[in-house]
Amino acid sequence: GENVEQHPSTLSVQEGDSAVIKCTYSDSASNYFPWYKQELGKGPQLIIDIRSNVGEKKDQRIAVTLNKTAKHFSLHITETQPEDSAVYFCAAILPSGSARQLTFGSGTQLTVLP
Amino acid sequence: KAGVTQTPRYLIKTRGQQVTLSCSPISGHRSVSWYQQTPGQGLQFLFEYFSETQRNKGNFPGRFSGRQFSNSRSEMNVSTLELGDSALYLCASSLSARSLETQYFGPGTRLLVL
Repeated sequence: GENVEQHPSTLSVQEGDSAVIKCTYSDSASNYFPWYKQELGKGPQLIIDIRSNVGEKKDQRIAVTLNKTAKHFSLHITETQPEDSAVYFCAAILPSGSARQLTFGSGTQLTVLP
Repeated sequence: KAGVTQTPRYLIKTRGQQVTLSCSPISGHRSVSWYQQTPGQGLQFLFEYFSETQRNKGNFPGRFSGRQFSNSRSEMNVSTLELGDSALYLCASSLSARSLETQYFGPGTRLLVL
């Protein structure tokens, strides 16, 4: 099965700085990589995703890059704001016949200091 | 469009009891997946249903079961509860069970087993 490793587990940045979270996956057949943000007491919310046929995707202050050769993908948040403070999860989706297998990283607690 | 809804939001049970959790997907979504989230194990996949059929199952004991109804609503049942079953149970819906289909999470049901 798939294995996803996520680093760092905690990250503190000053407001306005950039934050980068990295994930690696093990199965080269994985073809979809979503990122979720989870605030306290809420379910994970999709913030950006990338398909395996794309190397980079950007949405305002958030960007994701994918290196299929190295099997890693990263989340980049620029101009961080206090409301960006949350736990961020990466995931890798592996097609499995007519179904799929979803494996999540262990999460990164991001704290943006005012 | 209304998001994924889960009921109840909080639940307290004692060891040995059983529990049923409910999930209503986003209108038009036919796939429902269930996840268990704990501080120690993170987000772990339980099972996925599509068109009333279980499409995939994670590595959980048979005490964990689920079903999906013709209106795509889903229920998850845990029998003979153990202390270790205390967790946040998350439901996610998507249009289909294809690997490239985005999953949207509900707020979760927090289960405490005493």
